[in-house]
Amino acid sequence: QKEVEQNSGPLSVPEGAIASLNCTYSDRVSQSFFWYRQYSGKSPELIMSIYSNGDKEDGRFTAQLNKASQYVSLLIRDSQPSDSATYLCAFPGWSSASKIIFGSGTRLSIRP
Amino acid sequence: DTEVTQTPKHLVMGMTNKKSLKCEQHMGHRAMYWYKQKAKKPPELMFVYSYEKLSINESVPSRFSPECPNSSLLNLHLHALQPEDSALYLCASSPQGSETQYFGPGTRLLVL
Repeated sequence: QKEVEQNSGPLSVPEGAIASLNCTYSDRVSQSFFWYRQYSGKSPELIMSIYSNGDKEDGRFTAQLNKASQYVSLLIRDSQPSDSATYLCAFPGWSSASKIIFGSGTRLSIRP
Repeated sequence: DTEVTQTPKHLVMGMTNKKSLKCEQHMGHRAMYWYKQKAKKPPELMFVYSYEKLSINESVPSRFSPECPNSSLLNLHLHALQPEDSALYLCASSPQGSETQYFGPGTRLLVL
C-alpha cells in the first residue's frame, strides 16, 4: 500500500463552485499534514497546514483532517481560474520528521 | 528576507560538464533540502542538511554531490550527469522545530 494516495485527476470544476481534493495516508503516527499548490513549471507553495482533527479555514480554503479514518481533504470555495494547479498533500515520514512524504498530486482545472 | 532563492533558473549541460546549483535563504532556517522533480511527479527527496551536517542521503548517485558551506547556503555539485537527470531541482528550508518546508523557485536542468 502506498503511504499517500491521491486521485491524480484532472478534476474539472466550474468557476464559483467548491473544489474538493482528497488524500488518504497509511502512516498512523503523523501529527502534521500539509497542502501544497504547484502551478505548472513552478515550485510547490505551502497553502495550508493542519495538526488537529476537524476543520481549519483560511480564506477560501478549508483543510479537514480525520486521523481515525486517515483522511485529509482540502476544500476550495468560490473556485477561480487562478486556482487551476496541481495540489499535493504531504506529511512528515515516520522514520524522520525531516522527510516529507508527498502524494502524487491532484490536477485541478477550473473552467470559466 | 522571507524567501528561498535558487540560481541559475535554467541550466543546460553536456554529460561531461561540471556545474553547480546554488540555494540561499536568510530566514535563519537550520534545515535545508534538495529535491528532484520530474514532470507530472511529486518532488523526490535527495538530501537533507541539518545544522550544516548531512542528515539524510536518499541513496542518490555520486554524480550529485551536496555541500553546505554555512547555515544560509546550500550547493549541489553536478558531474557526469545523464540525460535522465534532466528535471526541476528544488531547494527547500524549514525553521528549527518545524516540519513545514518552504521551497525555492527551482532550477530547470537539461542534460544533453
